[in-house]
Amino acid sequence: EVVLTQSPGTLSLSPGERATLSCRASQSVTGNFLGWYHQKPGQPPRLLIFGVFRRATGVPDRFGGSGSGTDFTLTLSRVEPEDFGVYYCQQYDSSPWTFGQGTKVEIK
Amino acid sequence: QVQLQESGPGLVKPSQTLSLTCSVSGGSISGGYSYWSWIRQPAGRGLEWIGRIFSTGSTTYNPSLESRVTISIDPSKNQLSLALNSVTAADTAVYYCARATESNWGDWYLDLWGRGSLVTVSS
Repeated sequence: EVVLTQSPGTLSLSPGERATLSCRASQSVTGNFLGWYHQKPGQPPRLLIFGVFRRATGVPDRFGGSGSGTDFTLTLSRVEPEDFGVYYCQQYDSSPWTFGQGTKVEIK
Repeated sequence: QVQLQESGPGLVKPSQTLSLTCSVSGGSISGGYSYWSWIRQPAGRGLEWIGRIFSTGSTTYNPSLESRVTISIDPSKNQLSLALNSVTAADTAVYYCARATESNWGDWYLDLWGRGSLVTVSS
């Protein structure tokens, strides 16, 4: 199975700052089959990005995805207060689909 | 719009079978081109994909749970079901049903999630 390792574990940012979240795969994720989700406490995850860089419907353009192979990045160009929570990457290139362990974003 | 709602017992005894249902509203579970998945999340921890079923009934399971899990769909009730047998405390989690949709580029992403159902395994 593809193991996804996210870093850092926690990010503490002030509104307006830039956030860079990393997701590293134990083997190459082909076909750009990688997505990012955002989860707030008590809520289900919400799809942000699919296909490495394609924003889901309604996702603000301050969210951007990039990467290929084994290294992927989610960038928040200007963090907003509502962006707090945990961000997960997920690969759906091979079965079983797997998730990273998450990066927690805290707003100062 | 399509919505998903999980339901089932909140408490299951060890060694018994955990059974959950996901009701789909606003759309057909067997219409269109979708995978339907179950994902779980222990309290304070990350997400674990349990398995998926295609609208035709074809299933794929996580090898870590494959010997204990069954996912099925009932088109007549527009429902997705999960059965996990021989449960232990390690199976305590919030269980989500989710829809995977195929993009124009051939990838599948989990674009719609239920709100989740907490299941506790305890005697």
